[in-house]
Amino acid sequence: AQTVTQSQPEMSVQEAETVTLSCTYDTSESDYYLFWYKQPPSRQMILVIRQEAYKQQNATENRFSVNFQKAAKSFSLKISDSQLGDAAMYFCAYRFTSGTYKYIFGTGTRLKVLA
Amino acid sequence: GAGVSQSPSNKVTEKGKDVELRCDPISGHTALYWYRQSLGQGLEFLIYFQGNSAPDKSGLPSDRFSAERTGGSVSTLTIQRTQQEDSAVYLCATSRGPHDTQYFGPGTRLTVL
Repeated sequence: AQTVTQSQPEMSVQEAETVTLSCTYDTSESDYYLFWYKQPPSRQMILVIRQEAYKQQNATENRFSVNFQKAAKSFSLKISDSQLGDAAMYFCAYRFTSGTYKYIFGTGTRLKVLA
Repeated sequence: GAGVSQSPSNKVTEKGKDVELRCDPISGHTALYWYRQSLGQGLEFLIYFQGNSAPDKSGLPSDRFSAERTGGSVSTLTIQRTQQEDSAVYLCATSRGPHDTQYFGPGTRLTVL
C-alpha cells in the first residue's frame, strides 16, 4: 500500500531564510502525482506545488520549489525568502493517476517563521 | 467564482445522534472527495465521487458512515450513531476532473460529546 511519511513534526525558520521540508513515500507505481499543500490556522487547504512523476524537472512556483528524487522516493519542499505568512501546516500528498484517483496525505509539518 | 463551501462550519452533537455534513462544490467540478482530519493528524481519505457515483469508498471507517451526491453537485456525508472518536474536522475537496487540482472547502468541525 502507498504511504507518505513526513518525519519532521515541526520546523522553524528565520524570516527571509530558506527552509526545506522533507517527505518520503512508498509506492510500486511508476506514474503518480505528488503535491505539497499548506494549511494555515484558518483551516483552508491551499495547493502550494504539484509534481508529475514522469517529469524529471523539479517543479517551482515563485519562492517554492521541490527536490524530487524518484529513485529515492523523496519529495522535499524548499521555501526561499521565508515570510511570516508562510507559517502553517504543510502536508505532502501522493495521488494515483488512474483508477481511484484518491490522495494519500502525510501527517504534516508545522512551520514556524520567526521575525 | 465561489469556492467550495461546507456547512455547518461547526457541529456539536451528543453520542448516539446522527449528523449530516454538506459540501457544495465549485460549479462544474465533477470530482468530489471527503477527508477526515483528526487532531494533529494528516488527512484521511474517506470517499471519492465522480459525478454521482462513488468509484472508491474504501476509506469509510465503518457502516455508520455513508455519503451521497445528487445532480453531480451537492454531497452529504452522514454519520449515524456518532461516537466520540468521530470527532474531527471533515474536509471536502472538488476538482474539475480527476486529473485536475483539488480545491478544498473550509471544513466542518464535528465534536461528539
